[in-house]
Amino acid sequence: GQQVQQSPASLVLQEGENAELQCNFSTSLNSMQWFYQRPGGSLVSLFYNPSGTKHSGRLTSTTVIKERRSSLHISSSQTTDSGTYLCALEPGYNKLTFGKGTVLLVSP
Amino acid sequence: EAAVTQSPRSKVAVTGGKVTLSCHQTNNHDYMYWYRQDTGHGLRLIHYSYVADSTEKGDIPDGYKASRPSQENFSLILELASLSQTAVYFCASSDRANTGQLYFGEGSKLTVL
Repeated sequence: GQQVQQSPASLVLQEGENAELQCNFSTSLNSMQWFYQRPGGSLVSLFYNPSGTKHSGRLTSTTVIKERRSSLHISSSQTTDSGTYLCALEPGYNKLTFGKGTVLLVSP
Repeated sequence: EAAVTQSPRSKVAVTGGKVTLSCHQTNNHDYMYWYRQDTGHGLRLIHYSYVADSTEKGDIPDGYKASRPSQENFSLILELASLSQTAVYFCASSDRANTGQLYFGEGSKLTVL
């Protein structure tokens, strides 16, 4: 079965609202990463977060290993946050397994 | 800023033809990866390499070969392109000795007709 499941599959927000994206995994993990994929296709690394909580501007990533989940919180969303958010699990050494992503649309 | 560049950015190939996708990184990273992205499947690992002149199979290596002639360069080779290989291909590099963070190229859109 799929090792990494992301939810929701898609999300529509009004600008200024907060978002909580989830990533659940069924295997042990070496690391967890979050990426943002722009509408044009390029991928940007957001967080490398194997455990605990990390912050970057309006973004917060929290990984709880024993609960096999990681979340990405976006506060005060902006239209430029629109795109696809991907989590990636490293169950073993060297190989990342990606979720299918959450498509976020922030409307003005 | 880490840099991974891919070429070509877009290519149309005929079924049965040979396709080579190239990737160049200036990050001085040991690890390089090739992923493909398809609607409904997300990103899947094809091949990766952690040292020059050596490559490893990923999760979906069938129909693909990889070549790592130097630390900076990593190629993906489709000897006999097929319709099912139409996808967007991403190259990435990472510095596993430190952060493990992945840096992606801009992607190469391949259409096989």
